[in-house]
Amino acid sequence: DAGVTQSPTHLIKTRGQQVTLRCSPKSGHDTVSWYQQALGQGPQFIFQYYEEEERQRGNFPDRFSGHQFPNYSSELNVNALLLGDSALYLCASSMTKGRSNGYTFGSGTRLTVV
Amino acid sequence: SQKIEQNSEALNIQEGKTATLTCNYTNYSPAYLQWYRQDPGRGPVFLLLIRENEKEKRKERLKVTFDTTLKQSLFHITASQPADSATYLCALEGGKLIFGQGTELSVKP
Repeated sequence: DAGVTQSPTHLIKTRGQQVTLRCSPKSGHDTVSWYQQALGQGPQFIFQYYEEEERQRGNFPDRFSGHQFPNYSSELNVNALLLGDSALYLCASSMTKGRSNGYTFGSGTRLTVV
Repeated sequence: SQKIEQNSEALNIQEGKTATLTCNYTNYSPAYLQWYRQDPGRGPVFLLLIRENEKEKRKERLKVTFDTTLKQSLFHITASQPADSATYLCALEGGKLIFGQGTELSVKP
């Protein structure tokens, strides 16, 4: 059973550019959350999608946007990239009912903005 | 604002000893508290979840306690092994996960 799949694994972008990261959730999971993790820090919640709608959002600017598709996969878009956006971006999937099984994380996309 | 803190310094212990990691939080009443393990360059891996009405939870060599009065959780690894070396993350859950900064554990043979 495949877990959470993220693509690409690594990405280098220039300041001001736009980037799209992709996530396929674990089979049977219907909720996708995105996190940003800076080096040496814990993951920071960006937003969560359920039934193709943004259900919750963390303290991130509107440059960060997302989408969930009918097959539960998701995209994270970041516009007007800043150097400070360099981080590991993690996707986590879960079941809305049955969160007692925890969240399943992908291995992340390492984004470097130069 | 909600705040969650873990042991700020790395924890170095000898193989076979018990590792104890601390997680303290303020301004929050989580429904669940979760612990994750993270290896370098990888995503966090779920280990254990404890509910607000539970005092203790065990899974093999792992034990978690949850004191909602003290707003603290302790995470124990008994009979530690070098393979247990990783960063351990505490997370509060109330519809989303709020993570601590993690504690790096190193188990020496």
